[in-house]
Amino acid sequence: LAKTTQPISMDSYEGQEVNITCSHNNIATNDYITWYQQFPSQGPRFIIQGYKTKVTNEVASLFIPADRKSSTLSLPRVSLSDTAVYYCLVGDRGYSTLTFGKGTMLLVSP
Amino acid sequence: ETGVTQSPTHLIKTRGQQVTLRCSSQSGHNTVSWYQQALGQGPQFIFQYYREEENGRGNFPPRFSGLQFPNYSSELNVNALELDDSALYLCASSMGRAEGAFFGQGTRLTVV
Repeated sequence: LAKTTQPISMDSYEGQEVNITCSHNNIATNDYITWYQQFPSQGPRFIIQGYKTKVTNEVASLFIPADRKSSTLSLPRVSLSDTAVYYCLVGDRGYSTLTFGKGTMLLVSP
Repeated sequence: ETGVTQSPTHLIKTRGQQVTLRCSSQSGHNTVSWYQQALGQGPQFIFQYYREEENGRGNFPPRFSGLQFPNYSSELNVNALELDDSALYLCASSMGRAEGAFFGQGTRLTVV
């Protein structure tokens, strides 16, 4: 399984755009990149998933360069409620399991 | 709301005791995975059940065991509890594939 590296923490202010970058140098051809969000004492919540280029949904955008060795989760105009831990995961879409790292603790201030 | 429900939400046990945690998967999902999340850490994979059979296991000792029922609900059993077993236990259900897995709220287990 490809290992991921992401910042331990990030700080932002309400209304700003936040970009969290994840490094996954050993990503395999069949691997997808998935981001989860987790609030304290709750289960992780799926945010977005992509394979290459750019994926956008109502919550976030995911940018993946051509070499796929990194990816960036972009959260537009964050609010206080976006304060959470964000996990970057890499894995295939088969009957695999999710391998979580320590994630990035995003703190949004007023 | 993900449709995945876990019970109980909180539990306190004494070292050496046994515990059973329960998970009801989202309607239509045939795969259930269990994760242990210690404070300040990411969730760690315990095992996965697909159509009532174990389909993968993480680096956890045999005293962690599980079961999946015909309705795809699942149980996690832990024998001979140790203090380090104190954690948030998460259940995730999916339709076989890992992506798009939906997590429950978790069970907070405290071993004293």
